[in-house]
Amino acid sequence: DIQMTQSPSSLSASVGDRVTITCRASQSISSYLNWYQHKPGKAPKVLIYGASSLQSGVPSRFRGSGSGTDFILTIINLQPEDFATYYCQQSYTTPVTFGQGTKVEIK
Amino acid sequence: QVQLQESGPGLVKPSGTLSLTCAVSGGSISSTTWWNWVRQPPGKGLEWIGEISQSGDTNYNVSLKSRVTISIDKSKNQFSLNLISVTAADTAVYYCATWSGITSRPGYGWFDPWGRGTLVTVSS
Repeated sequence: DIQMTQSPSSLSASVGDRVTITCRASQSISSYLNWYQHKPGKAPKVLIYGASSLQSGVPSRFRGSGSGTDFILTIINLQPEDFATYYCQQSYTTPVTFGQGTKVEIK
Repeated sequence: QVQLQESGPGLVKPSGTLSLTCAVSGGSISSTTWWNWVRQPPGKGLEWIGEISQSGDTNYNVSLKSRVTISIDKSKNQFSLNLISVTAADTAVYYCATWSGITSRPGYGWFDPWGRGTLVTVSS
């Protein structure tokens, strides 16, 4: 199985900050990488697919980059509704696997 | 648009069987995609359980493969999860989810939409 490792596991940030979350795959997955936002009591929501493509309806302050084994999710100008847990997930092979999550908390 | 809704018992006894159903509305379960189960234990991250295609092909997480069965019922437009010999470690919120985009892997696909999730507690 491909292991997905996110860092940091949590971070504190303020509204208006720029936030960066990294995801590393245990082997090359090209650009087959998705990012999800998950809030308590709600279903996860896909933000980015194919490493850098913004899902329809997702604000442009969310940006994804990377390829191969290293990927980044950047949130520019953090908004109050962005406080949540973020997961990366690879679609390169079965079984699909998730990172362990990064919790973005209010400073 | 497709909507998913999980249902099933919220409490299962240790060594028992966890059984959940995911009802699909707004679309046909016979469409070309994968129908998935994902879970989240309390305080932990998301774990993919497995998937089934409209033709009945299945893939499972190796760590659960000996205990899990996913089935599909086209007449009811739903699919189901059975997990046997459960322990407290199987306590989690269970989500059903559709695989959108390219169905083959490697491919640009992702989980969307998801059900709202249902909490299953394993306890005597």
